[in-house]
Amino acid sequence: AQTVTQSQPEMSVQEAETVTLSCTYDTSESDYYLFWYKQPPSRQMILVIRQEAYKQQNATENRFSVNFQKAAKSFSLKISDSQLGDAAMYFCAYRSADGGGADGLTFGKGTHLIIQP
Amino acid sequence: DAGVTQSPTHLIKTRGQHVTLRCSPISGHKSVSWYQQVLGQGPQFIFQYYEKEERGRGNFPDRFSARQFPNYSSELNVNALLLGDSALYLCASSVRFSGANVLTFGAGSRLTVL
Repeated sequence: AQTVTQSQPEMSVQEAETVTLSCTYDTSESDYYLFWYKQPPSRQMILVIRQEAYKQQNATENRFSVNFQKAAKSFSLKISDSQLGDAAMYFCAYRSADGGGADGLTFGKGTHLIIQP
Repeated sequence: DAGVTQSPTHLIKTRGQHVTLRCSPISGHKSVSWYQQVLGQGPQFIFQYYEKEERGRGNFPDRFSARQFPNYSSELNVNALLLGDSALYLCASSVRFSGANVLTFGAGSRLTVL
């Protein structure tokens, strides 16, 4: 079974600064997908960014980018120019490409991101 | 377009009771998944349905069951409720069920078991 580990329960950053959230995972599969989801107090999980394991190029979405290190099984999220609206729980998630993804997403425990004005 | 809608948003039950949670996917989405999120934890996968058939099941007891209807909406049923079933239950939909498909989540149903 796959596991996802987020070692930072909480992170704090000044508004407009850059912050990096860490995620490591354990799998024996070669093909899979990795995700970062954001969960604000409204509870709805919102997709931030997605990475396909077969792609070497790191995914980028505006101020959000990832550092995907497949050999190290590491998938960190960098948020540039942090904004107050970025404050939320951030979850790293893994999904197998085999079996049609029937195992669903495996989530880490999350990192609570605080933005200091 | 409406997003993924879940009902009820909050409910309180007592131990031993039964609960039914409902989910309407985004129009055009044929796959629905259910997740349980205990306070302070990440969501855990319960079920995935596609075209009305169960396509995946997480490590949950048989007290948990689900089904998907012809209009692709879904119900999650939990029997003989335990205190430990208190959680936020999230529904997510996607166009298909393959790993590449992005899940869109609803805001969840908060279940409290007393």
